[in-house]
Amino acid sequence: DAKTTQPTSMDCAEGRAANLPCNHSTISGNEYVYWYRQIHSQGPQYIIHGLKNNETNEMASLIITEDRKSSTLILPHATLRDTAVYYCIVTGANSKLTFGKGITLSVRP
Amino acid sequence: SQTIHQWPATLVQPVGSPLSLECTVEGTSNPNLYWYRQAAGRGLQLLFYSVGIGQISSEVPQNLSASRPQDRQFILSSKKLLLSDSGFYLCAWSFGGVGNQPQHFGDGTRLSIL
Repeated sequence: DAKTTQPTSMDCAEGRAANLPCNHSTISGNEYVYWYRQIHSQGPQYIIHGLKNNETNEMASLIITEDRKSSTLILPHATLRDTAVYYCIVTGANSKLTFGKGITLSVRP
Repeated sequence: SQTIHQWPATLVQPVGSPLSLECTVEGTSNPNLYWYRQAAGRGLQLLFYSVGIGQISSEVPQNLSASRPQDRQFILSSKKLLLSDSGFYLCAWSFGGVGNQPQHFGDGTRLSIL
């Protein structure tokens, strides 16, 4: 599975959009981009995933570049409860997840 | 809807003692099941996964084993725990047989070895 690169940390103000970037330049044609988050001491929570097209659900939007080498997770109106470690993961047909260090998002009041 | 249950939530065990962690899924049939471990300050590591009863694949050599005696039951075991087995153990499920599907995690078991 392709490797991903994320910044170590970022912060945003409560109520504003949080845009979390991810690079996956070695992604292959049949690999999906997944986003999970982990709030301290809890199990990871699935957020969203996509292959080529942009995706939106009740939690977030996923924007994938046309060349699929990078993506952005958008939390449209961040709240304090969105403070967590966010993992961008690329996985193929076997659906195995390889978690890296993720990006720590801190939402400030 | 589907739910996943893990127990116990926390466990303190002496070195050399046996281990049995249980995970069950409700609301679906023939799920894919997974065991992960998260050591302190580190990322999640896939330990085992199963696509059906009695079918277990091990991802890393270790002191642990997994079994799937029933369709929606996944058990993580050890005969003799080591200090290095301490960590946060997570079970996850995904829909089976339908291609790329998200995994959904339980609340985990925090295991401390003394």
